[in-house]
Amino acid sequence: SQKIEQNSEALNIQEGKTATLTCNYTNYSPAYLQWYRQDPGRGPVFLLLIRENEKEKRKERLKVTFDTTLKQSLFHITASQPADSATYLCALDGGGATNKLIFGTGTLLAVQP
Amino acid sequence: GAVVSQHPSRVICKSGTSVKIECRSLDFQATTMFWYRQFPKQSLMLMATSNEGSKATYEQGVEKDKFLINHASLTLSTLTVTSAHPEDSSFYICSGVLAGGTDTQYFGPGTRLTVL
Repeated sequence: SQKIEQNSEALNIQEGKTATLTCNYTNYSPAYLQWYRQDPGRGPVFLLLIRENEKEKRKERLKVTFDTTLKQSLFHITASQPADSATYLCALDGGGATNKLIFGTGTLLAVQP
Repeated sequence: GAVVSQHPSRVICKSGTSVKIECRSLDFQATTMFWYRQFPKQSLMLMATSNEGSKATYEQGVEKDKFLINHASLTLSTLTVTSAHPEDSSFYICSGVLAGGTDTQYFGPGTRLTVL
């Protein structure tokens, strides 16, 4: 079955630096991959979607890469701010005709002022 | 746009009672809605896929008779936890997909269920 791995350890960085989060997957070739942000006690908020034929996607300070050979996606936040502190989840399409997603465990990002 | 609401946001109930959670898409129509459960410091686990006007599809290991799902309209899906027990205490989150839209899911704010 599909396996998604995100760094379970919290990532602590200094304000203004670039945060890079990693999502690795095995036993699967997803048609797309998505990144979500989740704050404590809240539902996830969609950030970016990248498809298997896309290498890179950008949105303001966010950048996502998708390497289907390495089976890895990198999520970058440039010029990070304390307000970026949250848990970031990657999710793969669940396959089949539905839109269901399989989520990773998430990485907690803490941006220090 | 693409706002999803859940009600209630928090519920505490006694063991053996049933609890209903509503999920509404406020500004879009969702032919498909999903129900997830999230335990502390864990990821979202998909429980079931709910399609408007048809029976829900449950993930392996999820009891369909315990977690009743009804998707009566394009903007409302409900999850009823029947005969709740303390081990059902969790954070329940729903999401909707725009009818005819992309593969993005729009999530509700979640419902914290505590069973005493």
